[in-house]
Amino acid sequence: GEDVEQSLFLSVREGDSSVINCTYTDSSSTYLYWYKQEPGAGLQLLTYIFSNMDMKQDQRLTVLLNKKDKHLSLRIADTQTGDSAIYFCAEGDTGRRALTFGSGTRLQVQP
Amino acid sequence: GAVVSQHPSRVICKSGTSVKIECRSLDFQATTMFWYRQFPKQSLMLMATSNEGSKATYEQGVEKDKFLINHASLTLSTLTVTSAHPEDSSFYICSASDGRGAGANVLTFGAGSRLTVL
Repeated sequence: GEDVEQSLFLSVREGDSSVINCTYTDSSSTYLYWYKQEPGAGLQLLTYIFSNMDMKQDQRLTVLLNKKDKHLSLRIADTQTGDSAIYFCAEGDTGRRALTFGSGTRLQVQP
Repeated sequence: GAVVSQHPSRVICKSGTSVKIECRSLDFQATTMFWYRQFPKQSLMLMATSNEGSKATYEQGVEKDKFLINHASLTLSTLTVTSAHPEDSSFYICSASDGRGAGANVLTFGAGSRLTVL
């Protein structure tokens, strides 16, 4: 079955860049997603990338996809304390099936 | 933008009682909704896929008689935890495909419901 893995924890200083990594196993994944979860809340979509793309940039967020290695990363530029949260990567295909989520990476931003 | 409302956000109940959690898509129709369960410091585990007008599809290991799902309209799915026990205590999150992104199955999530069974 599908498997999505992430490192559990990342700590950065305010103003630095954060890079959160994710690997997945399903080669048929069509879309890869990044979601953010703040304490006690649901998940908020940050961005997603189509599998035939290598990179997608949206303001402070940059997503890099290496389809050959099945590796996805999320770079947050100029990380702020408000970025402290758990970040989940997820994979899915076209259609209406549920997404498969990684274990989440807890990002701690130190002032 | 697409909004999914989930209610209640917190519920505490006694062991043996049943609890109903509602998930509503506020500004879009959702023929399919997904119910996830999240344990502390863990990822989301898909419990079931809720289909409007038909029976839900449960993931392996999820008791369908324990977790009753009803998707009676295009904007409402309910999850009822029957005869709840302390091990059912968890954070339950619903989501729906909001149609954003051509081809991408972008899910909008509710804020989650924290169930505590005493």
